[in-house]
Amino acid sequence: SQTIHQWPATLVQPVGSPLSLECTVEGTSNPNLYWYRQAAGRGLQLLFYSVGIGQISSEVPQNLSASRPQDRQFILSSKKLLLSDSGFYLCAWSPRNRGLGGELFFGEGSRLTVL
Amino acid sequence: SQQGEEDPQALSIQEGENATMNCSYKTSINNLQWYRQNSGRGLVHLILIRSNEREKHSGRLRVTLDTSKKSSSLLITASRAADTASYFCATAPSGGSYIPTFGRGTSLIVHP
Repeated sequence: SQTIHQWPATLVQPVGSPLSLECTVEGTSNPNLYWYRQAAGRGLQLLFYSVGIGQISSEVPQNLSASRPQDRQFILSSKKLLLSDSGFYLCAWSPRNRGLGGELFFGEGSRLTVL
Repeated sequence: SQQGEEDPQALSIQEGENATMNCSYKTSINNLQWYRQNSGRGLVHLILIRSNEREKHSGRLRVTLDTSKKSSSLLITASRAADTASYFCATAPSGGSYIPTFGRGTSLIVHP
């Protein structure tokens, strides 16, 4: 069966510090991968998605970047965090053969607080 | 941008009652999905209904889709305290990236 791991689960970072959130998927190959952000009381905002190694599409221009160095690894990064980067970050995957509009399988999330 | 919008924002019911949540959207869709999120956790996919389908069931869940009104509803029958969670609809557009976009969710509290 497929599983998705996301870490760290929580972190508190000062403004201006770097960020790295990591997500890995097991039990499947060539998944579509996604990073969403959920602000308090709001829905999910799509940040990045990837259909293959090194292929990253950005939905929202901002202080963040994403990379996919391996087939089942997706990394969200920032060089200098802003207060507005605080939120709950969710990684998700979907089967490649169902296209980008299929059901999503989410990790447990990473809660980032920028102080 | 958020495509689907859920209504109501919050719903409080007693165990055993039915819970109905609605979702409205603005543009043409390929499918509509419902997800559940327990507090502080990731989202769990509940059900996907395609644009050419009108109703779908899964256990105690019933989803309807009316593409002429651009709306969907999620019905949870005989609710349980364990159903307490936030419920989100996500619409996969029929063009563009096709990636599901989420509403703000309905917070459901089921009192034992």
